[in-house]
Amino acid sequence: GNSVTQMEGPVTLSEEAFLTINCTYTATGYPSLFWYVQYPGEGLQLLLKATKADDKGSNKGFEATYRKETTSFHLEKGSVQVSDSAVYFCALRFRDDKIIFGKGTRLHILP
Amino acid sequence: NAGVTQTPKFQVLKTGQSMTLQCAQDMNHEYMSWYRQDPGMGLRLIHYSVGAGITDQGEVPNGYNVSRSTTEDFPLRLLSAAPSQTSVYFCASSPTGISLHFGNGTRLTVT
Repeated sequence: GNSVTQMEGPVTLSEEAFLTINCTYTATGYPSLFWYVQYPGEGLQLLLKATKADDKGSNKGFEATYRKETTSFHLEKGSVQVSDSAVYFCALRFRDDKIIFGKGTRLHILP
Repeated sequence: NAGVTQTPKFQVLKTGQSMTLQCAQDMNHEYMSWYRQDPGMGLRLIHYSVGAGITDQGEVPNGYNVSRSTTEDFPLRLLSAAPSQTSVYFCASSPTGISLHFGNGTRLTVT
C-alpha cells in the first residue's frame, strides 16, 4: 500500500553542521510531496513542497528534491541553527487529496 | 483571519463517555481532515472530507465518526471513548491540491 518512511530519530547535530533527513515513499501514480515542521507545543507548519518529479522545494535554507527514480524526498540544510530544533515530517498527497505522514524525525541542534 | 480553530484544547473523559471535538476554518477550504498524533507513530489520518456532504475514511477510522454539513465545520465524534484513544488530535484544512493548514490541537486523555 501507500506509505512514507522516514529515518529514525532523534538526530543530534552541532550548530552549523550539514543536515540530511531521509524520506522514501511507496505510492501508485505521482503524489505531491511535502515536508512539515512541528515546533514544541505547536501544530504542524508547511516547510516546503514539490508537486512533480525533479521539482526542488526550498524554504528557510532547507531543500528537498522529488526523485521519482528512487522514490525519495530527502530534506537537507547546509548549516543548521539551534532554532531548527523541532520534529520534521515527510508527507504525501494522493490524487483523491488524502494526505499521509511519516512518523516524524526529532532534530536536536546543540549550540 | 483565525485560520483553523480547534476546541477544546484539553479534555479528560472516562471510558465509555462520548464527546465531539470541534474544528472550524474561515478560509473557505474545501478539504478538511483529522489526524491523531501518538509518540513513535507520527500523524495518522482518521477521516477526511473533500467538500460539504462528502467524507471518507483515513488510516485509523474505527471508533470515530465525522460529518461535513458546512464548508467551515468538520467535527470529530467519539461515540464511546477508550483509553486507546488517548492522543493529541489535529484538524487541518486545505484548498484542494495545496498543502495543509493545521489547528493547534486537542489533547485528549481517556481514563
